[in-house]
Amino acid sequence: EAQVTQNPRYLITVTGKKLTVTCSQNMNHEYMSWYRQDPGLGLRQIYYSMNVEVTDKGDVPEGYKVSRKEKRNFPLILESPSPNQTSLYFCASSLPGITGELFFGEGSRLTVL
Amino acid sequence: AQSVAQPEDQVNVAEGNPLTVKCTYSVSGNPYLFWYVQYPNRGLQFLLKYITGDNLVKGSYGFEAEFNKSQTSFHLKKPSALVSDSALYFCAVRPYGGATNKLIFGTGTLLAVQP
Repeated sequence: EAQVTQNPRYLITVTGKKLTVTCSQNMNHEYMSWYRQDPGLGLRQIYYSMNVEVTDKGDVPEGYKVSRKEKRNFPLILESPSPNQTSLYFCASSLPGITGELFFGEGSRLTVL
Repeated sequence: AQSVAQPEDQVNVAEGNPLTVKCTYSVSGNPYLFWYVQYPNRGLQFLLKYITGDNLVKGSYGFEAEFNKSQTSFHLKKPSALVSDSALYFCAVRPYGGATNKLIFGTGTLLAVQP
């Protein structure tokens, strides 16, 4: 089954404790991206990757890092989480070409205390 | 600035009645337009998209959307609502000629279908 898999789905952590949210897709997509969803703000792009070893900032990259060492994986790293990073995070992927739709993971709800 | 507006935070409709969820956009050039649905505790699921051609686009679960260039709108419609259609709906736009696959999302509209 074609899917984007995120882990963990739910996480409660404390300020400053590094964490990684993993994302993996099995559709051989070149493009991958991370979004955060906040009430009243919709989804905002954090980082994206056009292909292996190619990453770039989205609209709200502060406080986040990413890497793309393999085509299927695109982890999101919070080096020193803060309470304003409490949010619902989605990983997405798509084929190259700008007419294609994004395929989303199930989401990771992160709470930073 | 490129943006998408969903003017209604919530739409209430009775089961069996037609539904409309509104979306307007502001981008440079011709846009690529998308609708997604999000059920509770789930990721976003693709419903339909407008790329070019016929202004009326048909998608999953009986939904359709009408692209109106003069009004810069892309409203989502369904002739007969089901209780199971209750969910959060997002409109999104990808600016024509953009260098990435990025989507700009609206703030979402909660659709509540009453039995």
